[in-house]
Amino acid sequence: GQQVMQIPQYQHVQEGEDFTTYCNSSTTLSNIQWYKQRPGGHPVFLIQLVKSGEVKKQKRLTFQFGEAKKNSSLHITATQTTDVGTYFCASENTGGFKTIFGAGTRLFVKA
Amino acid sequence: DGGITQSPKYLFRKEGQNVTLSCEQNLNHDAMYWYRQDPGQGLRLIYYSQIVNDFQKGDIAEGYSVSREKKESFPLTVTSAQKNPTAFYLCASRLTALTEAFFGQGTRLTVV
Repeated sequence: GQQVMQIPQYQHVQEGEDFTTYCNSSTTLSNIQWYKQRPGGHPVFLIQLVKSGEVKKQKRLTFQFGEAKKNSSLHITATQTTDVGTYFCASENTGGFKTIFGAGTRLFVKA
Repeated sequence: DGGITQSPKYLFRKEGQNVTLSCEQNLNHDAMYWYRQDPGQGLRLIYYSQIVNDFQKGDIAEGYSVSREKKESFPLTVTSAQKNPTAFYLCASRLTALTEAFFGQGTRLTVV
């Protein structure tokens, strides 16, 4: 079935360093969504990418969707302690509705 | 105040007992979902429903059951057939395909 693989599983950074998490699929994705889950909390939607090669920015966060629509990345510039949490990518099967999440990348930021 | 509500936040049950987790939304969303999250793990899809009176199995449906009799409600029953029921359960809803999912606060189920 449809799967999205996410790497790395964990990332420890010093505050001010950059961070990137990657999401990969063996099949073409209809879309990619990114969510953030703070420790002890629930996932919160960040953004959705739909078009091939799409790039979107939210302040220090940059989201990319690959040209072949099989991979995506989330890059955080100059991490802050408020960035701590787990970042998930998610995608839907062809036809929609069945939403599958990647395993997530847990970000630790040391002040 | 619109949102998606899960109750209770914490639930303890004895092994062998069925337990039902509540999920209610007043966002007028058609689609609803149940995910299971284990410590340090991602979200695994249990069941989802695109519309009232219809639902489909996700990747780990064994030992679980659902109903969707009302648009607002999508309860999940964890049956005694579920071998490792202790986990964090998250309910989500979305308006339609290719839209953002809104999550409830989750229910942390512990079976002893």
